[in-house]
Amino acid sequence: DGGITQSPKYLFRKEGQNVTLSCEQNLNHDAMYWYRQDPGQGLRLIYYSQIVNDFQKGDIAEGYSVSREKKESFPLTVTSAQKNPTAFYLCASSIPGQGRVGVGGTEAFFGQGTRLTVV
Amino acid sequence: GQQVMQIPQYQHVQEGEDFTTYCNSSTTLSNIQWYKQRPGGHPVFLIQLVKSGEVKKQKRLTFQFGEAKKNSSLHITATQTTDVGTYFCAVNNNDMRFGAGTRLTVKP
Repeated sequence: DGGITQSPKYLFRKEGQNVTLSCEQNLNHDAMYWYRQDPGQGLRLIYYSQIVNDFQKGDIAEGYSVSREKKESFPLTVTSAQKNPTAFYLCASSIPGQGRVGVGGTEAFFGQGTRLTVV
Repeated sequence: GQQVMQIPQYQHVQEGEDFTTYCNSSTTLSNIQWYKQRPGGHPVFLIQLVKSGEVKKQKRLTFQFGEAKKNSSLHITATQTTDVGTYFCAVNNNDMRFGAGTRLTVKP
């Protein structure tokens, strides 16, 4: 079955630790995205990647890092520089848009999410 | 990336009442997508609108894209308890950005 998988589902981090969230897709999508969602809030874009070996900062990239060495994988590292990392993290993938009006991307498929808690 | 503003933030209705959420942009949009997120879940794609003035229906849900492609709406007729969740609009262009969402609660 094609889909997008995030792991782990729940993650606990100690103060000062880096942690890495996994996101894997077998949909053959070029674009992948990471979002942060706080309770009762919307989706804020952390990083996105439209092609392998390239990625761009979103609105709240500080304290996070990513890599895109393979088309299928887009791991997110939450570093110790992120002062308030407790949140629900969502990964998504799609066929990307072209960056100009009239040439948008396709629907996004989301993983089940990772709930990160600082202890 | 293209940004969208979404209102209202919350909507509480009695079962059987209608519900509408709106998205607006200051720029012309390539497309507009709508997603639903159930409590505790992840967003699930509902529909994509591309053409100016486009109207699409899915059972009790009606989606519209404005003539100028700067606004969109999702209307639910006769809400049911199964409609509970947060509805997001999104624009997938160079990046993919979401509106703030409208949280719908339905009183039986």
